[in-house]
Amino acid sequence: AQSVAQPEDQVNVAEGNPLTVKCTYSVSGNPYLFWYVQYPNRGLQFLLKYITGDNLVKGSYGFEAEFNKSQTSFHLKKPSALVSDSALYFCAVRDPVSGYSTLTFGKGTMLLVSP
Amino acid sequence: NAGVMQNPRHLVRRRGQEARLRCSPMKGHSHVYWYRQLPEEGLKFMVYLQKENIIDESGMPKERFSAEFPKEGPSILRIQQVVRGDSAAYFCASSPPGTGVLYEQYFGPGTRLTVT
Repeated sequence: AQSVAQPEDQVNVAEGNPLTVKCTYSVSGNPYLFWYVQYPNRGLQFLLKYITGDNLVKGSYGFEAEFNKSQTSFHLKKPSALVSDSALYFCAVRDPVSGYSTLTFGKGTMLLVSP
Repeated sequence: NAGVMQNPRHLVRRRGQEARLRCSPMKGHSHVYWYRQLPEEGLKFMVYLQKENIIDESGMPKERFSAEFPKEGPSILRIQQVVRGDSAAYFCASSPPGTGVLYEQYFGPGTRLTVT
């Protein structure tokens, strides 16, 4: 079975500082990994994905994520946080070997960026 | 190109009533997914449908819940005899036809169901 863990319920960072939102996963094969962001009372917006290739993936709004197979991690990063980045962030995994076409989500991490 | 549409955005039902949630996928998308988000929790997969077919319903409760995606019209998630525990945000997502595993899913704004 595939699973995702986001160990931090909340991450606090000052505007202009770098941010990291952590994600680890468990799948039986090579994972497909995704990050989504959710603003209050809105649906999820796609940020970026890792399918294959370079371990560093660049996505929307200046976000990037690094795939680390040995640590089974896919941490989301941004060099300089903005107050407008404050939102709920979800990591998700899909395991193509298992035949699942669906996404398994982590519980989410609330990012709060202070001015 | 309109995104994924869901209606209603908010739905209030009394215990025992039926709830019908609608989802229109993005234009050109033929894969539809339904997820439920309970307070303080992440999204939980419920069901995956293609036109006229249920592909994976492993996340659906065994009773009272059903889903369809007819040849014409939106996908419908139906909850019969709702209970307070059904109160949640229900999200629909869609993805293009073909190799679905490679594509990200595009989410609608959700329907927030409140059972009183």
